[in-house]
Amino acid sequence: EIVLTQSPGTLSLPPGERATLSCRASETVRGNYLAWHQQKPGQAPRLLIYGASARATGIPDRFTGSGSGTDFTLTISRLEPEDFAVYYCQDYSSSPQGFTFGPGTRVDIK
Amino acid sequence: EVQLVQSGAEVKKPGESLRISCQGSGYTFRTYWIAWVRQMPGKGLEWMGIISPSDFDTKYNPSFEGQVTISADESVSAAYLQWSSLKASDSGMYFCARMSLGFFTTWGQGTLVTVSS
Repeated sequence: EIVLTQSPGTLSLPPGERATLSCRASETVRGNYLAWHQQKPGQAPRLLIYGASARATGIPDRFTGSGSGTDFTLTISRLEPEDFAVYYCQDYSSSPQGFTFGPGTRVDIK
Repeated sequence: EVQLVQSGAEVKKPGESLRISCQGSGYTFRTYWIAWVRQMPGKGLEWMGIISPSDFDTKYNPSFEGQVTISADESVSAAYLQWSSLKASDSGMYFCARMSLGFFTTWGQGTLVTVSS
């Protein structure tokens, strides 16, 4: 089973700044089947990125996913007030037999 | 519009049974697997299991196998998560999610389960 580690645990930045979130896998994620989900307080998660770099429908282009193999990155080019949330990476390379989430990175307003 | 609408919050006592639901709309329900994900208070997301409504093929996270049962009823476009005997440690938020092309594209709004004596 792949274990996902996300860093940092919390990222405190002011609006307008660039945010860089990391997701590292314990072994190669086959096919780069890695997704990113955003969860705001009191809300359900929302899919942002799939296939490591493809934006889901309706996701603004300030969100960019990159990486391959074991190292993946979610970049938010300029933080908007609505971007302050928790971000989870998810491995779906064993779908539908198994799925793994990372522990999440909280992006806070500084 | 594709939507997953979950049943409302539940408050139960330890030892009671419970079934929560997730109703799909805006698409052909039988075509897409439905997953269940747990979120304990203040914690992250844990995949519990997944079902194919077309043939009821079901996969469980080993951590949850035997603790819960996942089912589906295509006639009402709903998937279910059930417990036969709740424990306090089952308290949490439970989300359903639709799987497409291997990943979770659409999420339900969540069902809060509180188990307390």
